[in-house]
Amino acid sequence: GQQVMQIPQYQHVQEGEDFTTYCNSSTTLSNIQWYKQRPGGHPVFLIQLVKSGEVKKQKRLTFQFGEAKKNSSLHITATQTTDVGTYFCAGPRNSGYALNFGKGTSLLVTP
Amino acid sequence: GAVVSQHPSRVICKSGTSVKIECRSLDFQATTMFWYRQFPKKSLMLMATSNEGSKATYEQGVEKDKFLINHASLTLSTLTVTSAHPEDSSFYICSASAGTGQGPQHFGDGTRLSIL
Repeated sequence: GQQVMQIPQYQHVQEGEDFTTYCNSSTTLSNIQWYKQRPGGHPVFLIQLVKSGEVKKQKRLTFQFGEAKKNSSLHITATQTTDVGTYFCAGPRNSGYALNFGKGTSLLVTP
Repeated sequence: GAVVSQHPSRVICKSGTSVKIECRSLDFQATTMFWYRQFPKKSLMLMATSNEGSKATYEQGVEKDKFLINHASLTLSTLTVTSAHPEDSSFYICSASAGTGQGPQHFGDGTRLSIL
C-alpha cells in the first residue's frame, strides 16, 4: 500500500550543529507537508510544497521537494534548543481525503 | 488564524464509562475533520475521517461502534469512546482542514484519556 517513510527515527545533536530529516513516498505525491510536534504538544503545520524541485526556506529551516515528487527533506541550519521536537512529513493519499504521515524524526538538541 | 480547539484536554475515568471529546474549528469552516490516536513516542494513527453531515469513514481495524464520530456542523466534530477500557487509554488528537482534506491540517491540543 501507499506509504510515507521517514529517516532517521531519532537524531541527537549539539546546539549549533545542522540537522536533516528525509521523507520518501512509495508513490508520486501532489504535495508534501511538514509538521512539528513539540514534546507534550500537538502537531503544528509548517509548510506545504507542491512543485517538482521546489525549495522553500523559513529562517533556519530549508524544505525541499524532489524532482520526481516522491521525496522531500527538511534541513535545519545551526540548531537551537527551541528546535527540539518531532518532525513529521505527510502526503495526500491517492484516494480519499486523508494524509499519510511518516513516523516522524525526533530531534533532541543539547546545549 | 486556523485555530482548532479540543476539549477536554485530560480525562481520567473508570472502566466502562463513555467519554465524549469535542473538536471545534474556531475561525474557519472545516470541511473535513480527522481523528487520530497517538501512542507515546509514536506516530499519528488515523482513526477516521469525517465530513459535515455524512457518516465518518473509519480506517481498517477501527471499531465504528466503539468510536462514535459525529460531525454535526462545519465547526464541530465529536468523538465518543463508548464503554472505555484500559486499552483505550491514549492521546487522541483531532485535526481540521478547510479544503479537501489533502491540504494543511490544523490540530487541536489533544485529549489524554486514562481509563482506570
